[in-house]
Amino acid sequence: AQSVSQHNHHVILSEAASLELGCNYSYGGTVNLFWYVQYPGQHLQLLLKYFSGDPLVKGIKGFEAEFIKSKFSFNLRKPSVQWSDTAEYFCAADSNYQLIWGAGTKLIIKP
Amino acid sequence: DAGVIQSPRHEVTEMGQEVTLRCKPISGHNSLFWYRQTMMRGLELLIYFNNNVPIDDSGMPEDRFSAKMPNASFSTLKIQPSEPRDSAVYFCASGINEKLFFGSGTQLSVL
Repeated sequence: AQSVSQHNHHVILSEAASLELGCNYSYGGTVNLFWYVQYPGQHLQLLLKYFSGDPLVKGIKGFEAEFIKSKFSFNLRKPSVQWSDTAEYFCAADSNYQLIWGAGTKLIIKP
Repeated sequence: DAGVIQSPRHEVTEMGQEVTLRCKPISGHNSLFWYRQTMMRGLELLIYFNNNVPIDDSGMPEDRFSAKMPNASFSTLKIQPSEPRDSAVYFCASGINEKLFFGSGTQLSVL
């Protein structure tokens, strides 16, 4: 059965720190992968997605994610976070037209 | 399997009207969840069923909200009477073995 796991429920960082949020999925077939972000008071927004091709995917606002097939991982990264990155981040996997969500990671950036 | 199917995709109604949201879970799944996503609170669990029986409805905001699951293949979430503050995206999810699969959501606007 497919599942998506996000390793940390809460992450607290200082501004300018580097960020990596873990995401692992359990599915052996073809899968599309997504990172969504929900800023306080707003709806979910798509940060980036991976369908095929270059495993390093660039998204909006300086975010990127790397698909590592051998590790079933799709970790989200940003080299230097800003206070405005405070939000909840969701990893999701789409296979067979089913969108499977991780539990989310709340990221708090201290100014 | 087509995944979790929700209808309608969009609903616009006037304050005071009854609204019924529908969900068809994935066949074979024994759990069904109703979530609401609002700008202020993000994703909230409203109620969940296990084997068609409501297990926890503590997330239901008030008596205007009710949910039923008459059989394993169908559930409804009803709001009567609706209010503008009910405007949100309502997600249905079905699950088995603690894995959740989300529908595409119903965007509800109460004018």
